[in-house]
Amino acid sequence: AQSVAQPEDQVNVAEGNPLTVKCTYSVSGNPYLFWYVQYPNRGLQFLLKYITGDNLVKGSYGFEAEFNKSQTSFHLKKPSALVSDSALYFCAVRSGGYQKVTFGIGTKLQVIP
Amino acid sequence: DAGVIQSPRHEVTEMGQEVTLRCKPISGHDYLFWYRQTMMRGLELLIYFNNNVPIDDSGMPEDRFSAKMPNASFSTLKIQPSEPRDSAVYFCASSPPQGSTGELFFGEGSRLTVL
Repeated sequence: AQSVAQPEDQVNVAEGNPLTVKCTYSVSGNPYLFWYVQYPNRGLQFLLKYITGDNLVKGSYGFEAEFNKSQTSFHLKKPSALVSDSALYFCAVRSGGYQKVTFGIGTKLQVIP
Repeated sequence: DAGVIQSPRHEVTEMGQEVTLRCKPISGHDYLFWYRQTMMRGLELLIYFNNNVPIDDSGMPEDRFSAKMPNASFSTLKIQPSEPRDSAVYFCASSPPQGSTGELFFGEGSRLTVL
């Protein structure tokens, strides 16, 4: 079975400060890892993914994520937060070759002006 | 491309009524997923299809739920009879063929309220 843990229900950060949203995963085989963002009353939007290669992946809106195999983590980061980044963020995982995607519970990011 | 299209966006119904949610995936995508989102449980995968064939329906809560995909451009999720605990936002998502890196493209969701 595959699973994702997002240990923080909410993350608060001041505008302009760096942000980190944490994610750990469990999966058999090689992980495909994803981050999605959801704004109020909208569907989820893809932000970035890790499949293979460089452990630091860059995505939309200045976000990046670092894959750490030994810690089975895939934390989302951004050097300087914007108020417009305030949203619900989901980490997701699937095993390579298997299409079923499992999502974490989500972390609400609040960027304070 | 118009993206994944879901209808209705909002549905309010009474307990015991039949509810049908509809989804049009992105053209060329051969995977289609139905998810349910609630505050308590987050995002739950209900069922997914590949080339119109149901692959995994282990997330379908009970026999009151059924899903079909009669062709590559249309899928339905039906609840009969509906109950208040079915109130949730239901998302449809599609993804490109296996061999791609498999990110999902979500519709805007159908918010269901069962009174």
